[in-house]
Amino acid sequence: AQSVTQLDSHVSVSEGTPVLLRCNYSSSYSPSLFWYVQHPNKGLQLLLKYTSAATLVKGINGFEAEFKKSETSFHLTKPSAHMSDAAEYFCVVSTDTDKLIFGTGTRLQVFP
Amino acid sequence: SAVISQKPSRDICQRGTSLTIQCQVDSQVTMMFWYRQQPGQSLTLIATANQGSEATYESGFVIDKFPISRPNLTFSTLTVSNMSPEDSSIYLCSAPRGTEAFFGQGTRLTVV
Repeated sequence: AQSVTQLDSHVSVSEGTPVLLRCNYSSSYSPSLFWYVQHPNKGLQLLLKYTSAATLVKGINGFEAEFKKSETSFHLTKPSAHMSDAAEYFCVVSTDTDKLIFGTGTRLQVFP
Repeated sequence: SAVISQKPSRDICQRGTSLTIQCQVDSQVTMMFWYRQQPGQSLTLIATANQGSEATYESGFVIDKFPISRPNLTFSTLTVSNMSPEDSSIYLCSAPRGTEAFFGQGTRLTVV
C-alpha cells in the first residue's frame, strides 16, 4: 500500500530565507509523487510532480523537489521564501489505480 | 490541462436535507474521484466514480450517505444525504489525465 508522511505540520520562515517541507513516502513500486499547494479559500494547485524521470523536479514559483529512493523522501524546497508562499502544502502519492493519497499537510507561514 | 467546473462553490444547508454537487470536465475522462476535506484537515478519498457502473467507495464511506452518479465520461454528481453538522467540509472532484490530476474548485458545505 502507498502512503505519505509529512513530517512537519507547521513551518515558519522569514521572507527571503530557504524553505524546506519534508515528505517521506511508502510504496511497493516506483511511485508517482506530487506536491500541491492550497491557498486560503482557493482550490488545489499542482506545484510539481515526479513520475520516474529526472529525480530533481522543478515546479512553479521557484519550488523544486528531489526524489531520493534510498531515503524514500520527496522534500520540497525553495531558495528564498516570498510572502505569497504562505499556504497549505500537500505531499501526494498516486496509486496504480490513479487514486491520490494525500499527506496531512504542512502549513507554511512566512514572516516579513 | 483539463478544466473541471464544480458547483455549487458553497452552500449552507439545514440538517436532514441533501445536497447534490456537480462536476463537469471539459473532455472525456475514464475515472473521476470525489474527495472530502474536513476543516483543518487533509483530503480523503470518498469514492471512485466509474462510468457505466456503480461507484467504488473507500472504507468509511457508503453509498446510502454519498450516492454518486456518472452518466457519461464528462460528468459526475455527488450527493451528501441526510446531512448533519459533521458533514461540513469541502468536497472536491478530481479527474486524472496522463500523469496529473486536476481538481474542481471545491464545494464548501456548511450544515446548520
